[in-house]
Amino acid sequence: DTGVSQNPRHKITKRGQNVTFRCDPISEHNRLYWYRQTLGQGPEFLTYFQNEAQLEKSRLLSDRFSAERPKGSFSTLEIQRTEQGDSAMYLCASSLRPRDPSGGANVLTFGAGSRLTVL
Amino acid sequence: QKEVEQNSGPLSVPEGAIASLNCTYSDRGSQSFFWYRQYSGKSPELIMFIYSNGDKEDGRFTAQLNKASQYVSLLIRDSQPSDSATYLCAVNSNAGGTSYGKLTFGQGTILTVHP
Repeated sequence: DTGVSQNPRHKITKRGQNVTFRCDPISEHNRLYWYRQTLGQGPEFLTYFQNEAQLEKSRLLSDRFSAERPKGSFSTLEIQRTEQGDSAMYLCASSLRPRDPSGGANVLTFGAGSRLTVL
Repeated sequence: QKEVEQNSGPLSVPEGAIASLNCTYSDRGSQSFFWYRQYSGKSPELIMFIYSNGDKEDGRFTAQLNKASQYVSLLIRDSQPSDSATYLCAVNSNAGGTSYGKLTFGQGTILTVHP
């Protein structure tokens, strides 16, 4: 297992175009997360899945963003009608659901990220 | 009030000194606390986590947790230039949602260790 894999690593697009990012998590991990990070800020939560179920989506997230994890393995994050403000690093992470239902030590392992530049 | 706040940086320490990084959080229901390190242009990598009050040591790193004060810190002993990075505090949180399944991150503190 080579860890969390993200593709593409870099994407440059024009405003108004749609883009899609793919994430392949660590194989035995059942949780998958998407975060967004801009320069000088910490990662901002977007959404997460447990197996194929999307359990939570940030209320701040525009309807232009959608994520899927159809078979509980890889996930895609699509951004429609991109805007310049969407320019950021999109990070995917995966984890094992902790045994402790209160949260436990939910250790996230991050991929290298997909950097989006919207012109 | 931000959900997770870290002491403003950047923090600069000489090689061999102790670096102290601080973090406060707002959700009293949070139970797990994490420190990640992020080198420039790279993704975050886990240093350590803690969920019991007190200290937890791992090599040169010590995490300290005080749930009553909603405070968590990271001490780096014998700091090395290779420790120069952004340190991110993260807390499991249900803020804005219905579960504690996600981590909420602070804005990060830039640490520079100079020879």
